[in-house]
Amino acid sequence: GQQVMQIPQYQHVQEGEDFTTYCNSSTTLSNIQWYKQRPGGHPVFLIQLVKSGEVKKQKRLTFQFGEAKKNSSLHITATQTTDVGTYFCAGPRVVGGSNYKLTFGKGTLLTVNP
Amino acid sequence: DAGVTQSPTHLIKTRGQQVTLRCSPISGHKSVSWYQQVLGQGPQFIFQYYEKEERGRGNFPDRFSARQFPNYSSELNVNALLLGDSALYLCASSLGQGAYNEQFFGPGTRLTVL
Repeated sequence: GQQVMQIPQYQHVQEGEDFTTYCNSSTTLSNIQWYKQRPGGHPVFLIQLVKSGEVKKQKRLTFQFGEAKKNSSLHITATQTTDVGTYFCAGPRVVGGSNYKLTFGKGTLLTVNP
Repeated sequence: DAGVTQSPTHLIKTRGQQVTLRCSPISGHKSVSWYQQVLGQGPQFIFQYYEKEERGRGNFPDRFSARQFPNYSSELNVNALLLGDSALYLCASSLGQGAYNEQFFGPGTRLTVL
């Protein structure tokens, strides 16, 4: 079945350094979503990418969707302590008709040293 | 506006017992999904309900069941609890049923099985 893999599993950076997490799917995705989960919190939606090669920016965050729609990345420029958390990508897998299940990667835990 | 609410916040059960978890979606959202998240992993899809019908099921045993009520709130039931059922159970609501909808997660119910 469809798998969504993320690397790295952990990333520790000094405040001000950049950070990138990568997401790869075994199958082509109709879209990909990114979520952030703070320690002790719940996942919060960041963005959705739909088009092949799409690039979206949110302040210091840049999201990309691969040309083949099988991979994606999240890049954070000049990390801050508020960026700490686990970043998940998630892709839908259609299970019949318009029914689907959202498959999450294992996430990348980002810690930032002030 | 109120977000997704879940109850209870925490729960401790013993093996073999049964548990019911509750979720109220954001007003106007007709879709509710349930996820299981164990420490260090991404959320694992359990069920999706839309307009009171099951629209997706993950790879969980029949001990897991759910339903959605006319007001779109939902319950997740787990029978014959096992130690491995200990996890954070997340409920997420979305406007529509399709794969392009942003998921709004609740704070979760932390279940501990002893």
